[in-house]
Amino acid sequence: AQRVTQPEKLLSVFKGAPVELKCNYSYSGSPELFWYVQYSRQRLQLLLRHISRESIKGFTADLNKGETSFHLKKPFAQEEDSAMYYCALSGRGGGATNKLIFGTGTLLAVQP
Amino acid sequence: DAGVIQSPRHEVTEMGQEVTLRCKPISGHNSLFWYRQTMMRGLELLIYFNNNVPIDDSGMPEDRFSAKMPNASFSTLKIQPSEPRDSAVYFCASSLRPNYGYTFGSGTRLTVV
Repeated sequence: AQRVTQPEKLLSVFKGAPVELKCNYSYSGSPELFWYVQYSRQRLQLLLRHISRESIKGFTADLNKGETSFHLKKPFAQEEDSAMYYCALSGRGGGATNKLIFGTGTLLAVQP
Repeated sequence: DAGVIQSPRHEVTEMGQEVTLRCKPISGHNSLFWYRQTMMRGLELLIYFNNNVPIDDSGMPEDRFSAKMPNASFSTLKIQPSEPRDSAVYFCASSLRPNYGYTFGSGTRLTVV
């Protein structure tokens, strides 16, 4: 079964500190992994996709198939990074569905 | 493109009333998704459509909920009769290809009193 686990509901750090938001997944095939961000009372926005191996707003995430993880990292947190972050998974390849399964989210609070 | 457009942005209704939420996906996107977001349960997929056809409605909570997509540019999610526990933010999203991710609308904040 597809499952995304974000173990932390809240992560509080000080400005300038490193950030790591944890995400673990369970999927029998080849997954597509994503991180979405939702700023206060706004729509969810795609932050990054593992397939593109990009860095957005200083955030990176590496897919570790051995540990089935896709942790989101940023070396120096900024106050404007405060938001809810969702890890999400979909299937890839023949027979895979389009639907995204989301984790429960982690609220990142960056203190001044 | 104006993105995924949802209406209304806010809806307050009395228990027992019918509620209709609307969504216009991004032109050319062939998949459309309805999600519900609550503090307790996070983001739940209710139903999704591919090329206007419902593919998976296993997330629809009960018969009071129904969704339609009569054409590629419009979808509705209806709750009849509404109950206070339906209060949530309902998001619509569309996608061209699954590995590109989704584009979400601004959501409809529903309050049932």
